[in-house]
Amino acid sequence: GAGVSQSPRYKVAKRGQDVALRCDPISGHVSLFWYQQALGQGPEFLTYFQNEAQLDKSGLPSDRFFAERPEGSVSTLKIQRTQQEDSAVYLCASSLVGYEQFFGPGTRLTVL
Amino acid sequence: QKEVEQNSGPLSVPEGAIASLNCTYSDRGSQSFFWYRQYSGKSPELIMSIYSNGDKEDGRFTAQLNKASQYVSLLIRDSQPSDSATYLCAVNGGNTGFQKLVFGTGTRLLVSP
Repeated sequence: GAGVSQSPRYKVAKRGQDVALRCDPISGHVSLFWYQQALGQGPEFLTYFQNEAQLDKSGLPSDRFFAERPEGSVSTLKIQRTQQEDSAVYLCASSLVGYEQFFGPGTRLTVL
Repeated sequence: QKEVEQNSGPLSVPEGAIASLNCTYSDRGSQSFFWYRQYSGKSPELIMSIYSNGDKEDGRFTAQLNKASQYVSLLIRDSQPSDSATYLCAVNGGNTGFQKLVFGTGTRLLVSP
């Protein structure tokens, strides 16, 4: 059984560029989460999907951040007009509803 | 006050010793508690979950939960150099919402041969 996969693993963007980060959850996992992890910190919640419904987006730091999961499986986190403060590792996790969350390898975003 | 607090460490223990990692949380309504291990440059890996007061053992790991004191701990017996990593405490439920995890900043553990 494959785990959570994310792509790309590394992304370098120039300030002002748009980026799209992909997450492929564990097969059958209804819940999907995005977290942002800065160096030396614990992951911080961004948003949560149950199937295709985005039930909580309270952690998205600005309206430049947008996430979708149109068919209830793969999810994309999009960041528009990237800023240096967006540099971080973006982690995706999936779970059965109400159960433990399993993380993907993350995407390390560097904004120059 | 942070929602989930951990001593950042590093906590240094010799090989074969017991490592004790501690975590406190502020939301009394929290219901589920997790320990993740994170090696440098890697993503968090779930090692223990605990939902009720008391101890839960899994191999060399024991999680302890005391909801009255809002305290959760992780004991690692017979520590090995390969246990050297950052250990993240995470909670959910209560006012933060049932699904999303709130993490501490992690405790760095160093196990010396």
